[in-house]
Amino acid sequence: DIQMTQSPSSLSASVGDRVTITCRASQGISNYLAWFQQKPGKAPKSLIYAASSLQSGVPSKFSGSGSGTDFTLTISSLQPEDFATYYCQQYNSYPWTFGQGTKVEIK
Amino acid sequence: EVQLVQSGAEVKKPGESLKISCKGSGYSFTSYWIGWVRQMPGKGLEWMGIIYPGDSDTRYSPSFQGQVTISADKSISTAYLQWSSLKASDTAMYYCVRLIPVSWHRYFDYWGQGTLVTVSS
Repeated sequence: DIQMTQSPSSLSASVGDRVTITCRASQGISNYLAWFQQKPGKAPKSLIYAASSLQSGVPSKFSGSGSGTDFTLTISSLQPEDFATYYCQQYNSYPWTFGQGTKVEIK
Repeated sequence: EVQLVQSGAEVKKPGESLKISCKGSGYSFTSYWIGWVRQMPGKGLEWMGIIYPGDSDTRYSPSFQGQVTISADKSISTAYLQWSSLKASDTAMYYCVRLIPVSWHRYFDYWGQGTLVTVSS
């Protein structure tokens, strides 16, 4: 199985900050990587697919990059509604696997 | 508008059977794969398996193969996740999700609201 490792596991940031979350795959996955946002008590929301393509309706403050084994999710200017847990997921090969999540908290 | 509406919360005893559902609307149900994802209390997301309602082609994660059954009834645009004998460790939130195909790959887009399954004696 491909292991997905996110860093950091949690971070504290202020409104307006630029935030970057990293996701590393244990082997190459080309660009078959997605990012999700989950708020407490809610279903996950799809943000990005193919490493850098925004899902419909997702604001442009979210961006993704990377290919192969190293990927990043960046939030350009953190807003109150962005405080949540973020997950990466590889869909290059079965079984699809998720990172352990990164919790973004208010400083 | 694409929607996936899941069945309500369930409380069951160990050893009981259960089938939860996910009804799709606002799109051609038979043309998109549907996946299931587990989230145990306070934990992360785990992919369980997927089904193509058009022909019921199914893929399972090895972690869930033989533990659950994924099925679909295309006549009512509904996918199912079922257990024949529940365990306390099946206590979790379960999400269905639609998949978008890109050549041989598929990625998640719309998610259901989740079904909470509690298994307790």
